[in-house]
Amino acid sequence: ILNVEQSPQSLHVQEGDSTNFTCSFPSSNFYALHWYRWETAKSPEALFVMTLNGDEKKKGRISATLNTKEGYSYLYIKGSQPEDSATYLCAHNYGQNFVFGPGTRLSVLP
Amino acid sequence: KAGVTQTPRYLIKTRGQQVTLSCSPISGHRSVSWYQQTPGQGLQFLFEYFSETQRNKGNFPGRFSGRQFSNSRSEMNVSTLELGDSALYLCASSFGTPGGNQPQHFGDGTRLSIL
Repeated sequence: ILNVEQSPQSLHVQEGDSTNFTCSFPSSNFYALHWYRWETAKSPEALFVMTLNGDEKKKGRISATLNTKEGYSYLYIKGSQPEDSATYLCAHNYGQNFVFGPGTRLSVLP
Repeated sequence: KAGVTQTPRYLIKTRGQQVTLSCSPISGHRSVSWYQQTPGQGLQFLFEYFSETQRNKGNFPGRFSGRQFSNSRSEMNVSTLELGDSALYLCASSFGTPGGNQPQHFGDGTRLSIL
């Protein structure tokens, strides 16, 4: 089993703060790294699919970077809003199936 | 465009029974994957179907099985239910196989409780 780790496990920030968290994955047999946002009582929603080393993707105030050689991806949220409160999951696809990390639970306090 | 639909949303069963969960993917999506989430655990991959064929399987006992129909709808079956099978079961569909760069689209899940 190829483990995917995420840190921190949980995070509380004030509205307006910028924040970031990490996804670590095995650097061998890399195919893609996915980020999902999972709000309470909803289904996970795809944020980014990243495939190339050095990739940087952006969606509004959220962006992500990818380093496949060292096996990590960062997710950044600029100017956090209460609606950003959710669990952020990364998933490593190594060609056979997805291995999801345990997630980072973000709480944005108004 | 309708999203991924899972039925039922909630289910209560007793130990030893069996259960069938259903997933209708987004129209045009041929890949359907199933995941289990238990308290304190991340999403655990069960299996993935593409064009009616099981392509990948996670590390779950043989009590967990599935199938996919020609219209891409998928069912998951769990036999001889155990207390530890209580979980949220999520289905996800994608246009191509998850091995590519296609994002997965998740349903709302079926919450299964075993008494």
